[in-house]
Amino acid sequence: AQRVTQPEKLLSVFKGAPVELKCNYSYSGSPELFWYVQYSRQRLQLLLRHISRESIKGFTADLNKGETSFHLKKPFAQEEDSAMYYCALRSFGGNTPLVFGKGTRLSVIA
Amino acid sequence: DSGVTQTPKHLITATGQRVTLRCSPRSGDLSVYWYQQSLDQGLQFLIQYYNGEERAKGNILERFSAQQFPDLHSELNLSSLELGDSALYFCASTPGLASGELFFGEGSRLTVL
Repeated sequence: AQRVTQPEKLLSVFKGAPVELKCNYSYSGSPELFWYVQYSRQRLQLLLRHISRESIKGFTADLNKGETSFHLKKPFAQEEDSAMYYCALRSFGGNTPLVFGKGTRLSVIA
Repeated sequence: DSGVTQTPKHLITATGQRVTLRCSPRSGDLSVYWYQQSLDQGLQFLIQYYNGEERAKGNILERFSAQQFPDLHSELNLSSLELGDSALYFCASTPGLASGELFFGEGSRLTVL
C-alpha cells in the first residue's frame, strides 16, 4: 500500500532561517513524488515534482530512495512562504491517483 | 474563470439526508477526481472519472456515488449522511489519465448536524 507521512503538523521558523518540511513515504514500487501548496485563500496547487529536479520559489526537494524521503527545503524562508504544504505520491509512469500526506502548516515569523 | 468550479461552497444538512456536490472541470480536461478532507486527515482519494467512465476507486463508502456526464461535469452523491461525513470535498481535474499535476477546485464544505 502507498502511504505518505508528514510528521509535523505545524512548523514555525523565522524569516531568513532555513526551512525543511519532512516527507517520508512507503511504496513497494517505483514512486513519483510531488509537493503541493495551499496559500491562504488560494487553491491547492502543484509546487514541484521530483522528476523535474527544479527549484520553484527557492524550494527544492530530492528523492532519497534509500531513506524513502522527499523533504522540501529552502535556504532562507520568506513570509510569503507561509502556507499549508502537502507531500503526494503515485506510481511512477502509471495511472494511479495521487496519495497525499496530512500536510504541514508552515508559519514564517517576521 | 476557466478553472475548476465546485458548488455549493458550503452546505449544512442533517444526519440521514442526501446531498449532491457538483464539479465542473477546467475547459478541455477529461479527468475528474474527488477527494475528501476530514478534520485531522489528509486528502483521501475517493474516485476518478475519465471521459465519462470510472477509472479508479479509493476508499469510497457504498453510501457515496459519483458520475461524470457527457459535458464532463461530475457529481458526487452522498446519502444516509452521518456526522462523520462532515468534511471538505475537493474536486480536481487533469487533461488526461496520467498527469501528476491536478488542478483543484476550492472545495465544498459539508457539515452534517
